[in-house]
Amino acid sequence: KNQVEQSPQSLIILEGKNCTLQCNYTVSPFSNLRWYKQDTGRGPVSLTIMTFSENTKSNGRYTATLDADTKQSSLHITASQLSDSASYICVVIAGGSQGNLIFGKGTKLSVKP
Amino acid sequence: DAGVIQSPRHEVTEMGQEVTLRCKPISGHNSLFWYRQTMMRGLELLIYFNNNVPIDDSGMPEDRFSAKMPNASFSTLKIQPSEPRDSAVYFCASSLGAGWGATISRPQHFGDGTRLSIL
Repeated sequence: KNQVEQSPQSLIILEGKNCTLQCNYTVSPFSNLRWYKQDTGRGPVSLTIMTFSENTKSNGRYTATLDADTKQSSLHITASQLSDSASYICVVIAGGSQGNLIFGKGTKLSVKP
Repeated sequence: DAGVIQSPRHEVTEMGQEVTLRCKPISGHNSLFWYRQTMMRGLELLIYFNNNVPIDDSGMPEDRFSAKMPNASFSTLKIQPSEPRDSAVYFCASSLGAGWGATISRPQHFGDGTRLSIL
């Protein structure tokens, strides 16, 4: 069964600290993996899109990694800011049939001053 | 640039009533997606259109749900009759891409959703 599991469910960190969010998937065949940031009351915003052959992709202070062998991805946030407080959602797109997007339930990050 | 525009932002209605949610995608985008988000299930894809044609509606929960895209700049999601378990936030997203292969390599741009409450 295609699944995406994210951990932790929630995380509280102090402003300025780094953190890493995890995404494990059991999706086959794999097409690509995305990380989204969702602020409260807003729609998700795309951070990165990674294909099978990409190991690392950065977007400012956000760096995503992908290990296609172990089917794991991580999102590292450097020097966190209060505005990083949001839910972070991992999405895996399966190859083959159209419309096959599998969503994780997200990690809720709170950055405190 | 205008992003994806959804209306209404909030809808509260009684069970059994018809509900229509509206979406205006980003101009020039040819793929459109409707999603539902709940605390229990997270985000779920309901239906995907490409060039105004429904391609995959396997996520539509049941016959009470229907979606249309009469032109490239407008789509609706209708629930008739509505039930309390339909309460959720409904998102519309659009992206570039003629066909699924091109669509999945591009980011999706989400609207801010419609928060639907069925009493």
